[in-house]
Amino acid sequence: DGGITQSPKYLFRKEGQNVTLSCEQNLNHDAMYWYRQDPGQGLRLIYYSQIVNDFQKGDIAEGYSVSREKKESFPLTVTSAQKNPTAFYLCASSTIAGGNLAKNIQYFGAGTRLSVL
Amino acid sequence: GDSVTQMEGPVTLSEEAFLTINCTYTATGYPSLFWYVQYPGEGLQLLLKATKADDKGSNKGFEATYRKETTSFHLEKGSVQVSDSAVYFCALSDQYTGNQFYFGTGTSLTVIP
Repeated sequence: DGGITQSPKYLFRKEGQNVTLSCEQNLNHDAMYWYRQDPGQGLRLIYYSQIVNDFQKGDIAEGYSVSREKKESFPLTVTSAQKNPTAFYLCASSTIAGGNLAKNIQYFGAGTRLSVL
Repeated sequence: GDSVTQMEGPVTLSEEAFLTINCTYTATGYPSLFWYVQYPGEGLQLLLKATKADDKGSNKGFEATYRKETTSFHLEKGSVQVSDSAVYFCALSDQYTGNQFYFGTGTSLTVIP
């Protein structure tokens, strides 16, 4: 089955530690995204990538880093500089729709819940 | 810039009641509009979409019509079920802003038997 796989489902971070969240897709999508979701709030964009080896900051990139070495993979590292990392993290992917609006849909993984010990 | 404003929740309804969740948008171009649903502890799933003015998206009894004149995309269902309890997100994507998606803050719906 095609889809987006996020792992782990639950992650705990100790103070001063960097942790990496995995996101893999087998949908052959060009674009991938990371969002942060806090209780009672909407989705906030952390980083996105529209092509391998290139990515752009979203609205809340400080304290996070990403890489895009393969089309299928877009891991997110939550660094020690992120002082309030407790949240639900969602990865998404989409085609680059261009003029074909029917293809312009974001598909989401099941999420990773990060907590601080 | 582009944005989505969504009706505040939470919303609590009895089973078989009529549901409306309001959504209005601001966009620079000609956006596509979406409703996503999120069940507890899960990611977002696409519920329905519309790509141009006057289009009606529909799925699982839910409907929404793209109204350019009122910049709205309200979600409706004639008779809700307990299984519809979830958080609903309105979203837009505008090809003139690089295919970015803009999400509303979400509306929590609880349906009681």
